[in-house]
Amino acid sequence: AQKVTQAQTEISVVEKEDVTLDCVYETRDTTYYLFWYKQPPSGELVFLIRRNSFDEQNEISGRYSWNFQKSTSSFNFTITASQVVDSAVYFCALSRNQFYFGTGTSLTVIP
Amino acid sequence: NAGVTQTPKFQVLKTGQSMTLQCAQDMNHNSMYWYRQDPGMGLRLIYYSASEGTTDKGEVPNGYNVSRLNKREFSLRLESAAPSQTSVYFCASSDRAEKLFFGSGTQLSVL
Repeated sequence: AQKVTQAQTEISVVEKEDVTLDCVYETRDTTYYLFWYKQPPSGELVFLIRRNSFDEQNEISGRYSWNFQKSTSSFNFTITASQVVDSAVYFCALSRNQFYFGTGTSLTVIP
Repeated sequence: NAGVTQTPKFQVLKTGQSMTLQCAQDMNHNSMYWYRQDPGMGLRLIYYSASEGTTDKGEVPNGYNVSRLNKREFSLRLESAAPSQTSVYFCASSDRAEKLFFGSGTQLSVL
């Protein structure tokens, strides 16, 4: 069975602080994809990143970085120098033949 | 590019009424999905269609029916709406489970 756990329900940080959103997944498959999606207050779901299970290289995109560790089944997302525009709900997901989503982490960045 | 288009954006129903949510994608994707989003529960899969002519139940199918009309269109029908079906509904499409593309969502209230 596939499962994605985002234990942090809500996080609040002050602008310019760094914040890490945790994602732990369960799967018996060796081939799968991991994703992060952002849902801003406007409600749409925005794709942020996809990693396949064979690529454990960390990735950085501007202020965003992702740490994929198969040994701990984690795919954590760090925002450096957070901004108010980062306030959103963030979903981690795993796909094999279907997509499995975590329950989301609501991030509030306080100015 | 239109991507995934779903209608309507908002709907209010009375208990027992029926309605159909429409979804169309123009990316030639084989797979299409319907999710519902409720506070604290993330995105839960209602039904999906791996290819034209096939549909399968997801995690929460009770009270819903779907039709994969053709490769582009995948509709979700509530035959007799209940207050428990008040939610935000998202249609999505993908190719080989490599990335989900979402519609903008439908906010449904059942009174």
